[in-house]
Amino acid sequence: NAGVTQTPKFQVLKTGQSMTLQCAQDMNHNSMYWYRQDPGMGLRLIYYSASEGTTDKGEVPNGYNVSRLNKREFSLRLESAAPSQTSVYFCARIFQPQHFGDGTRLSIL
Amino acid sequence: GENVEQHPSTLSVQEGDSAVIKCTYSDSASNYFPWYKQELGKRPQLIIDIRSNVGEKKDQRIAVTLNKTAKHFSLHITETQPEDSAVYFCAASKGSASKIIFGSGTRLSIRP
Repeated sequence: NAGVTQTPKFQVLKTGQSMTLQCAQDMNHNSMYWYRQDPGMGLRLIYYSASEGTTDKGEVPNGYNVSRLNKREFSLRLESAAPSQTSVYFCARIFQPQHFGDGTRLSIL
Repeated sequence: GENVEQHPSTLSVQEGDSAVIKCTYSDSASNYFPWYKQELGKRPQLIIDIRSNVGEKKDQRIAVTLNKTAKHFSLHITETQPEDSAVYFCAASKGSASKIIFGSGTRLSIRP
């Protein structure tokens, strides 16, 4: 039971490149979340989605966009990557049953 | 918006002793308070949670207490073991349609 699946697991980008991080849950729960975790730091909320078709900003939304086209998938897009966006990105379903994805380790050179 | 503060940032206890981690939140409408454990290089995992209609909840060696008036909640780990060494995060939310804000984390080390 994977719970929440994230792809890719690792990615290296050059400054200015764009990419989309994919996240899919194995249930039809409404709420999904994207967090970033910098080395030795806590989890900061980027965006969340309370239901299909709706998204809201979190603590650090600048430089990111999200898309929730259906209940299972919640993607995060970096339009023009910057070195400050180097981080580990976690997608999560917080409410029962809770599950964090394994994370995407993103490096921007 | 919601702000969650967590203390201490690091904690070292002797194996077998108890550990206590404390968090405060700012939004009095918050009603869900989960605690997560994160081992090095791994994803956070829920260890216990509490809702605002309950003052205390226990699960074996782990307990969480909530003081709604003071807007703080605490994690208590008794009879600590080496495998309890990890980073622990608290969080607060107003419910499943709302954002969930995390504290900055506590690195717990268990001394043999």
